[in-house]
Amino acid sequence: NAGVTQTPKFRILKIGQSMTLQCAQDMNHNYMYWYRQDPGMGLKLIYYSVGAGITDKGEVPNGYNVSRSTTEDFPLRLELAAPSQTSVYFCASSYSGQGRYEQYFGPGTRLTVT
Amino acid sequence: GESVGLHLPTLSVQEGDNSIINCAYSNSASDYFIWYKQESGKGPQFIIDIRSNMDKRQGQRVTVLLNKTVKHLSLQIAATQPGDSAVYFCAEYKGPTNKLIFGTGTLLAVQP
Repeated sequence: NAGVTQTPKFRILKIGQSMTLQCAQDMNHNYMYWYRQDPGMGLKLIYYSVGAGITDKGEVPNGYNVSRSTTEDFPLRLELAAPSQTSVYFCASSYSGQGRYEQYFGPGTRLTVT
Repeated sequence: GESVGLHLPTLSVQEGDNSIINCAYSNSASDYFIWYKQESGKGPQFIIDIRSNMDKRQGQRVTVLLNKTVKHLSLQIAATQPGDSAVYFCAEYKGPTNKLIFGTGTLLAVQP
């Protein structure tokens, strides 16, 4: 299994541009999450999904959108990029039920908005 | 509100010594906790977890202790190695959608 994969690894955007961060998992997990991590800080939840077609806001959703058309994929869309969105973005997934709650993380996408 | 925080943002230890990383949580109803390790430039990696019906759980060179009375969690790493250098996060389970609340992290620096 590849686990959780993210593309691209790095990206530089100009203010006002848009982009989509890709995330895919091959573990058949129902739950998926997007986090951002600012330098020297912990992870903040942006959006999450409990299954295909279902998404919900996390702690810091403003400026982002998500969709979940399949179990495997959970793309994060940035519209009108702003310098405050400069961060490292992590996608994660987890089992539903089975008493296991840990999340499996991808390698991250480092985004700079200038 | 609910929060998970760490007492020490940076911990420097000598190679071969034991390391102890601490974490405080505020929600006394929390019933599941996880420790993650994050190496530079990588995503967090699961280390060990513990449920609230346990006081202690051991893994390979790591032990997690849970003190529910004072809402405190610790991660002990035995015989710390250079490869243990990383940021360590504790996370608190916030069900039912498996959401986790992460602390700010402790940087463990292992000196040769």
